Amino acid sequence: NAGVMQNPRHLVRRRGQEARLRCSPMKGHSHVYWYRQLPEEGLKFMVYLQKENIIDESGMPKERFSAEFPKEGPSILRIQQVVRGDSAAYFCASSPSTDSNQPQHFGDGTRLSIL
Amino acid sequence: RKEVEQDPGPFNVPEGATVAFNCTYSNSASQSFFWYRQDCRKEPKLLMSVYSSGNEDGRFTAQLNRASQYISLLIRDSKLSDSATYLCVVRLHGKSTFGDGTTLTVKP
Repeated sequence: NAGVMQNPRHLVRRRGQEARLRCSPMKGHSHVYWYRQLPEEGLKFMVYLQKENIIDESGMPKERFSAEFPKEGPSILRIQQVVRGDSAAYFCASSPSTDSNQPQHFGDGTRLSIL
Repeated sequence: RKEVEQDPGPFNVPEGATVAFNCTYSNSASQSFFWYRQDCRKEPKLLMSVYSSGNEDGRFTAQLNRASQYISLLIRDSKLSDSATYLCVVRLHGKSTFGDGTTLTVKP
């Protein structure tokens, strides 16, 4: 499967715990994007990363959220001290280059539920 | 004002109908444009890129008017399988901004 891989598909956490969401881009893609879709809402941009660099984090909440894309391994979206409002679908997308004409391809998403 | 605005919908049409969706965007510097579809809040899937010259893919035709900052999607001969939420997407420097989507239901 050469598509964007996200895991886990579903994640349940209690308030105050940490959530770690993983994304492996398509083979040959070095650009990763995270989006969040709250219930009954559209997708909202969170962060754009290249290997070892954050390019644009203008959509990331200032507190509790962080993202990384290390030289080796998947991109990680980390949410500390989760709250009920963090319950959402988190989608990762990847593209091969900075060329804006290259469409982004999405993974299946991680559904995060906070108890 | 939202950066990307779409028809509110929902659209309920019979099989075989032609349906058109509209989308406007606010940032004139936007670089590229796409239509995606999303089924039952699963992952968005690319439907087609949108070019100023207009482009067609089977029953689907997309059009971009940069002067008016307007994007359209036309679906001809609607099928039951076209039922989904259609998302207008505008990109600038890698960041994609999504419209809230327009829901289409095609009925037998």
